[in-house]
Amino acid sequence: DAGVIQSPRHEVTEMGQEVTLRCKPISGHDYLFWYRQTMMRGLELLIYFNNNVPIDDSGMPEDRFSAKMPNASFSTLKIQPSEPRDSAVYFCASSLSAGGSNQPQHFGDGTRLSIL
Amino acid sequence: GEDVEQSLFLSVREGDSSVINCTYTDSSSTYLYWYKQEPGAGLQLLTYIFSNMDMKQDQRLTVLLNKKDKHLSLRIADTQTGDSAIYFCAESKGRGYQKVTFGTGTKLQVIP
Repeated sequence: DAGVIQSPRHEVTEMGQEVTLRCKPISGHDYLFWYRQTMMRGLELLIYFNNNVPIDDSGMPEDRFSAKMPNASFSTLKIQPSEPRDSAVYFCASSLSAGGSNQPQHFGDGTRLSIL
Repeated sequence: GEDVEQSLFLSVREGDSSVINCTYTDSSSTYLYWYKQEPGAGLQLLTYIFSNMDMKQDQRLTVLLNKKDKHLSLRIADTQTGDSAIYFCAESKGRGYQKVTFGTGTKLQVIP
C-alpha cells in the first residue's frame, strides 16, 4: 500500500522565493492535514481539509501561507514570499472517517524546508 | 482549550522497561494515541485507546489510561535500541471530529 507521499523531501531556497510543497494522500482518505514541526513549537496543525474543502485554517501563520486541494488525490501548501523563520519540517497526513468513528492519521515523511 | 503535555527526554538501558507519560486537559477526549517518530521520518501510529478503556496491550506495548487524572502512559517492555525515537501522545474527540492535538514529544534514548 502506498502511504502519504510528499515532495520534495528537501527544499533549500532563498528568502523571498515562492515555495510549493506537495502531498498525495492515501487513496480513499477523505481528510488531509498539513502540519509544521520545529524544535521551538513542536508539531503545529496548519490547516485541514475534508472532501477537498478547507475546514479549519486557524493554524495558518500568515497570509503568506496558502493551501489548496484541487482534487481528492493532491494538495499543495504554498509560501510566498518565504522567510527564514519558515524553515521547518512540513508534514502532510491523511485519514478516513468511517461511520462517525475516528480513524488515525497517517503521515508522510515530510518536507524539510530551509530558507536562507 | 486542549493541551497535551509530556516530559521531553527519557533514557533507559537496553532490556529494561520504558514508561513514557502524558497528561491532557480536555475531559471530552475520546481517543488517545501514541505515535513514534524516527529520525527523518513522519509520525507512525503505534497504538490507540478509547477513553472507556483502562488498559490496552499489544505485544511489548502497554497503554494505561487514568481518565480521572487525565493521565496516559506507554510502557515498552524489553526496550531495544530500535525503540530509540520521539514518542508523541495525542488526543481527539472522535466521532468524526478529526482534529488531533499532539503533545510535545518525548525523546527516548536506549543505551546499549
